[in-house]
Amino acid sequence: ETGVTQTPRHLVMGMTNKKSLKCEQHLGHNAMYWYKQSAKKPLELMFVYNFKEQTENNSVPSRFSPECPNSSHLFLHLHTLQPEDSALYLCASSQVWRNGYTFGSGTRLTVV
Amino acid sequence: AQRVTQPEKLLSVFKGAPVELKCNYSYSGSPELFWYVQYSRQRLQLLLRHISRESIKGFTADLNKGETSFHLKKPFAQEEDSAMYYCALSVPLMKTSYDKVIFGPGTSLSVIP
Repeated sequence: ETGVTQTPRHLVMGMTNKKSLKCEQHLGHNAMYWYKQSAKKPLELMFVYNFKEQTENNSVPSRFSPECPNSSHLFLHLHTLQPEDSALYLCASSQVWRNGYTFGSGTRLTVV
Repeated sequence: AQRVTQPEKLLSVFKGAPVELKCNYSYSGSPELFWYVQYSRQRLQLLLRHISRESIKGFTADLNKGETSFHLKKPFAQEEDSAMYYCALSVPLMKTSYDKVIFGPGTSLSVIP
């Protein structure tokens, strides 16, 4: 698949579980992003990576741990989440600023 | 503070009628603005960029710095325009060639046949 691919599409996890979300892009972009989309809030930026370096952490709790091993892959490691962390987690990538982002389809996370 | 507001959560218009989706921003620098659209069961996608001054699917948006607005307009709405529309502000990240994008809350547009 071309573009930005996120797996899994859906995830249900308990509060004591550890899981990871994966994002992969085949566009040759150098920046990748994690956003959180909750039901009643605007899209919230979580993390920004460019050239594998984290350049922005938008005051995200430590129970969310990002990893960017190379410019094509981005992970979000989850542990001891809370029910209020249930949301759609979107990954995006971009080449340079002003060009806009390409988004993945998202992972729908439910914490029980 | 950097912020994007979209005053209408829901907007309904009849097919063939003009449509305007409002967007206001707050930013001390020179703004770079975008509109994104999310059709039902599809991913969020870029609709148009302020810098390109383009018209996509009949939509246009003009930046008004005096009113700090970037409203999205289309003269004749079509049923396939029904979707969620997000206005977004790009803020450059210091010492990089990249940005972070701040999204508004979105407006759900419904075009009535």
